[in-house]
Amino acid sequence: KNQVEQSPQSLIILEGKNCTLQCNYTVSPFSNLRWYKQDTGRGPVSLTIMTFSENTKSNGRYTATLDADTKQSSLHITASQLSDSASYICVVINTGTASKLTFGTGTRLQVTL
Amino acid sequence: EAQVTQNPRYLITVTGKKLTVTCSQNMNHEYMSWYRQDPGLGLRQIYYSMNVEVTDKGDVPEGYKVSRKEKRNFPLILESPSPNQTSLYFCASSLFPHRAYDEQFFGPGTRLTVL
Repeated sequence: KNQVEQSPQSLIILEGKNCTLQCNYTVSPFSNLRWYKQDTGRGPVSLTIMTFSENTKSNGRYTATLDADTKQSSLHITASQLSDSASYICVVINTGTASKLTFGTGTRLQVTL
Repeated sequence: EAQVTQNPRYLITVTGKKLTVTCSQNMNHEYMSWYRQDPGLGLRQIYYSMNVEVTDKGDVPEGYKVSRKEKRNFPLILESPSPNQTSLYFCASSLFPHRAYDEQFFGPGTRLTVL
């Protein structure tokens, strides 16, 4: 069964600190992996997209890594800001015409003063 | 502006009263999809559509119907809503999500409460 597991479930950090969120998946065959940011009550917004041949992708202070061999990904946030407080969702997409998306349950990040 | 719109944004209804949540995109996307999001469960796919007149079940299709008569619109229909369909619903669209770098855009969400 295709699954995406994220850890931790929630995280509280001080403003200015770095943090790393984890994503493990069993989706096969693999097409690409995406990290989304979702503010409370809003739709998810894409942060990064990576194919199996890419092992790192940055978007400002967000850096995603991918190890397709171990089926693990991480999202690193540098110098966190209060506006980073949100849920971060890992999504893995399989190949083929069915275009099946498998979502993780997300990590809820709170950045405090 | 490229966007996915949903209406209504908030809806409170009673058990058994048919309702439709509309979804529209202005990006000429082939693929559209509906999700529900519940606490602790993340986003779960209800139905998706690869193109006009082509729809397929996602992970949790029971109690829902969809149609895709035009490329831009993908309404979600609850023929006889029940309280367990109380949830936050998102519509999304993209060209082809299995193709790398095809961005998937989400609507703003519809919060549905069924009493």
